[in-house]
Amino acid sequence: NAGVMQNPRHLVRRRGQEARLRCSPMKGHSHVYWYRQLPEEGLKFMVYLQKENIIDESGMPKERFSAEFPKEGPSILRIQQVVRGDSAAYFCASSPPSAGGGNEQFFGPGTRLTVL
Amino acid sequence: GNSVTQMEGPVTLSEEAFLTINCTYTATGYPSLFWYVQYPGEGLQLLLKATKADDKGSNKGFEATYRKETTSFHLEKGSVQVSDSAVYFCALVNTGGFKTIFGAGTRLFVKA
Repeated sequence: NAGVMQNPRHLVRRRGQEARLRCSPMKGHSHVYWYRQLPEEGLKFMVYLQKENIIDESGMPKERFSAEFPKEGPSILRIQQVVRGDSAAYFCASSPPSAGGGNEQFFGPGTRLTVL
Repeated sequence: GNSVTQMEGPVTLSEEAFLTINCTYTATGYPSLFWYVQYPGEGLQLLLKATKADDKGSNKGFEATYRKETTSFHLEKGSVQVSDSAVYFCALVNTGGFKTIFGAGTRLFVKA
């Protein structure tokens, strides 16, 4: 069973360009989470999605950032008009569907975004 | 609100030394607690977890006990190796919740 997959692993963009980060959850997992790790800091929650639904996006910046998890295909985190402050590692995690929450989340290797 | 506080690093130890990384938490419910490890340039790997009070999580010689009375989940290892050099994150997920709340991380350097 493959783990959570993210691509690309490294992404370089110039200011003003768009960044698209992809995440394929583990097989059987229908819940996807995105986290951002700024240099020398811990991970901060951004958004929680289930198939075709955004459940909680309280950690997403109000502008330029969006996320989706379509019925088919990977989850996408999209950053429009990137700025230098967007440079960070973006981690995706997934968990199986389960009542009660509190489950362990399985993390992908991350995408390291560098904005020049 | 929910939060995790862990000791600041970096922590530098010699090989075979005893390791303790302190972690305390605040939570409105009864969280599950986790320790994750991040090796240089890699993602997070779950090291161990505990889901209720007095549970002890253990893996690869690392241990942590869920102490509800002191709201702590300190990470310990009796004899560290150079290969243990990494950043360690304490984290919680509250009951019925989905957000993993992370501490700031503690960097460990182990010298040969």
